[in-house]
Amino acid sequence: EVVLTQSPATLSLSPGERATLSCRASQSISSYLVWYQQKPGQAPRLLINDASNRATGIPARFSGSGSGTDFTLTISTLEPEDFALYYCQQRSDWPPTFGGGTKVEIK
Amino acid sequence: QVQLQESGPGLVKPSQTVSLSCTVSGGSINSGNYYWTWIRQPAGKGLEWIGRISASGSTNYNFSLTSRVTISLDASKNQFSLTLSSVTAADTAVYYCARGYGHFDYWGQGTLVTVSS
Repeated sequence: EVVLTQSPATLSLSPGERATLSCRASQSISSYLVWYQQKPGQAPRLLINDASNRATGIPARFSGSGSGTDFTLTISTLEPEDFALYYCQQRSDWPPTFGGGTKVEIK
Repeated sequence: QVQLQESGPGLVKPSQTVSLSCTVSGGSINSGNYYWTWIRQPAGKGLEWIGRISASGSTNYNFSLTSRVTISLDASKNQFSLTLSSVTAADTAVYYCARGYGHFDYWGQGTLVTVSS
């Protein structure tokens, strides 16, 4: 199965700063990469599909890029509600697998 | 607006079988080309895809669980269900139901299943 490695494990930033999260796949997954946001006690929320397509209702400050094995989620200007856990997930290979997550915390 | 809601026993003894249900509202479970999925998350850990069922009843399971998992669909109740047999402490997790084949756009709130004697 495809292993997804997310880095860093924790990102400490202040509101208004730019966040850059990385997800690396153990083999090429083309652009079949998905990003989710999860807040404590809540289900994950779909942010980005197919590496760069924002889901319905997702603010433009969230953007995704990459293909092959290296992917990036960028939050251009952190809002207070963006401090959360972020997971990547691949849908190229069976079974779908998730990364270990990156926690974006308030510095 | 599609909504999903899990239900289940909460506490299960080791070696027993746990059954969870997911009730879908805001749309018919057997309309369109949707797939309905189960995903779990042990406390403080990442997400694991368990399996999925199509509107027509076709299933796929994670090979790590395939011998113990069954997913079924009851269109009359607009529900789909997960049965996991021979549970151990390693199966303790929050179980989510979700809509989707490769990516998951609607999720339930999750239900905690604790395996303990």
